[in-house]
Amino acid sequence: ETGVTQSPTHLIKTRGQQVTLRCSSQSGHNTVSWYQQALGQGPQFIFQYYREEENGRGNFPPRFSGLQFPNYSSELNVNALELDDSALYLCASSLESGQPQHFGDGTRLSIL
Amino acid sequence: DQQVKQNSPSLSVQEGRISILNCDYTNSMFDYFLWYKKYPAEGPTFLISISSIKDKNEDGRFTVFLNKSAKHLSLHIVPSQPGDSAVYFCAASGDSGTYKYIFGTGTRLKVLA
Repeated sequence: ETGVTQSPTHLIKTRGQQVTLRCSSQSGHNTVSWYQQALGQGPQFIFQYYREEENGRGNFPPRFSGLQFPNYSSELNVNALELDDSALYLCASSLESGQPQHFGDGTRLSIL
Repeated sequence: DQQVKQNSPSLSVQEGRISILNCDYTNSMFDYFLWYKKYPAEGPTFLISISSIKDKNEDGRFTVFLNKSAKHLSLHIVPSQPGDSAVYFCAASGDSGTYKYIFGTGTRLKVLA
């Protein structure tokens, strides 16, 4: 069984640029959630996608957007990058039945 | 407003002894709770969960206790092993876990050989 995979593992961008992060769900999982983890903090919920529709959103501005594809893989897009966007971005997948979310190893994004 | 709190940033325990990690929450609508373990450079790994209809759930060396009246949960690891050294996060959710998780800030556990 393949787990959650994320790409790239590391990324460096400058302020004002745009970035796309990718996530492949665990096999059979149709729900994907994205989290931002700043240094020394717990993960913070960005949004969740269920069967290609946004299913809930945390307290993040509209420049954070996402997509889920028919194969349940997902993208997180961030526009107009700011220094505070530097963080570990985690993707988690789960079954729709409320089974625990399973996380990938994350993408470390650094903004210069 | 931190709805899920882990007030101990770190904990050291001797190998073979019990590790007790604590977590408090403020939102009475939470009905599903989880513990995750995180090693450096890896994503959080699911350990154990508990629904609000229960007060205890056990899986091998790991037991989670839930005290709804005190809005408190704890994770017991018995016996502790050096490989348990990691950061432990508790998380809470409404809607029986189908929705977003609210995480605490984590407790770094060090098990001494």
